[in-house]
Amino acid sequence: SQTIHQWPATLVQPVGSPLSLECTVEGTSNPNLYWYRQAAGRGLQLLFYSIGIDQISSEVPQNLSASRPQDRQFILSSKKLLLSDSGFYLCAWSFTSRGETQYFGPGTRLLVL
Amino acid sequence: LAKTTQPISMDSYEGQEVNITCSHNNIATNDYITWYQQFPSQGPRFIIQGYKTKVTNEVASLFIPADRKSSTLSLPRVSLSDTAVYYCLVGSPSGAGSYQLTFGKGTKLSVIP
Repeated sequence: SQTIHQWPATLVQPVGSPLSLECTVEGTSNPNLYWYRQAAGRGLQLLFYSIGIDQISSEVPQNLSASRPQDRQFILSSKKLLLSDSGFYLCAWSFTSRGETQYFGPGTRLLVL
Repeated sequence: LAKTTQPISMDSYEGQEVNITCSHNNIATNDYITWYQQFPSQGPRFIIQGYKTKVTNEVASLFIPADRKSSTLSLPRVSLSDTAVYYCLVGSPSGAGSYQLTFGKGTKLSVIP
């Protein structure tokens, strides 16, 4: 069976500090991978999606970036965090041929102070 | 991308049937409709998916009229544990070969004892 992991679960960072969130998927190969952000009490905002290694598309211009160094690893980064980067970050995966069914990780709660 | 509209919130008593409707007026021919459930501080969980008419699984039913411009998630005999945010998702293959999905703002369902 497939599983998805995210870490850390919770993170408190000062403004201007760097960020690195990691997501890994087990039990499948060549998944589509997604990063979402959810602000408090809001819906999900798609940030990045990837159909393969080094193939990443950005949905929203911001100070965040994503990388996919391995088939089942997806990393969300920032060089300098802003207060507005606070939120709940979710990684998800889907089978390549059926992207409409996404399976989400447990999420990372990020608080930028 | 098809945009979706859902009620912001709904209240229901335990044991009642709950119907949540999602509008997606510009749904495309090859779009699927998927519903997710999200509890606080957790990633969304897949509930049900359909393309047309009616789909039923052990958790819910999904009704889609012939014009497919709306869909209704039906939860039979809700319990307190069904209190969550429910998202309607409409997606289709993009030009990049992956699926780009648009999450609605979600419907917060509160089940009252």
